[in-house]
Amino acid sequence: EAGVVQSPRYKIIEKKQPVAFWCNPISGHNTLYWYRQNLGQGPELLIRYENEEAVDDSQLPKDRFSAERLKGVDSTLKIQPAELGDSAVYLCASSFKGSGANVLTFGAGSRLTVL
Amino acid sequence: GESVGLHLPTLSVQEGDNSIINCAYSNSASDYFIWYKQESGKGPQFIIDIRSNMDKRQGQRVTVLLNKTVKHLSLQIAATQPGDSAVYFCAENTGGFKTIFGAGTRLFVKA
Repeated sequence: EAGVVQSPRYKIIEKKQPVAFWCNPISGHNTLYWYRQNLGQGPELLIRYENEEAVDDSQLPKDRFSAERLKGVDSTLKIQPAELGDSAVYLCASSFKGSGANVLTFGAGSRLTVL
Repeated sequence: GESVGLHLPTLSVQEGDNSIINCAYSNSASDYFIWYKQESGKGPQFIIDIRSNMDKRQGQRVTVLLNKTVKHLSLQIAATQPGDSAVYFCAENTGGFKTIFGAGTRLFVKA
């Protein structure tokens, strides 16, 4: 099992440029999350998908951020245009909710630096 | 400028000693509380969880204690090892899929 796979691992762009991050969740996990993690802080939810439906996008800055999860598997998070404050690590996670706690499996993250 | 990361609460322990990492939570309605470990350059990794109707749960070298009266959660690591050096996050699991993370504590293990 490869785990949650994210790419790219690192991205450096100038402000106002677009950027996209890709995530492949664990096979069979129908719930997918995008979190943003600023330096020294805990992850903050941007959007959650149940299969291909975005069920919680209340924290997604919709003026510049967009996400999609076509076919309910892979997902892409896009920022256009990027701002200096978008520099962070973008984490993708997936889960399969059984009867216990909802345990998230995270990818290694995509570190974005906006210059 | 100064890195925000330097403001992360830090715990430094000697190898072999026990570590206690604390967390205060806010939502009394949380169903589960979960501890995650995040090593440098990696995503958070599940350690242990506890259901809200329990006050203690033990795993391998780790114990989580839950005090609902004061909304406090702790993670105890026995015989701390260098590989335990990481940032530890507590998280609240509410309403099935909603997970909210705390600010984290950085654990340094001195050899």
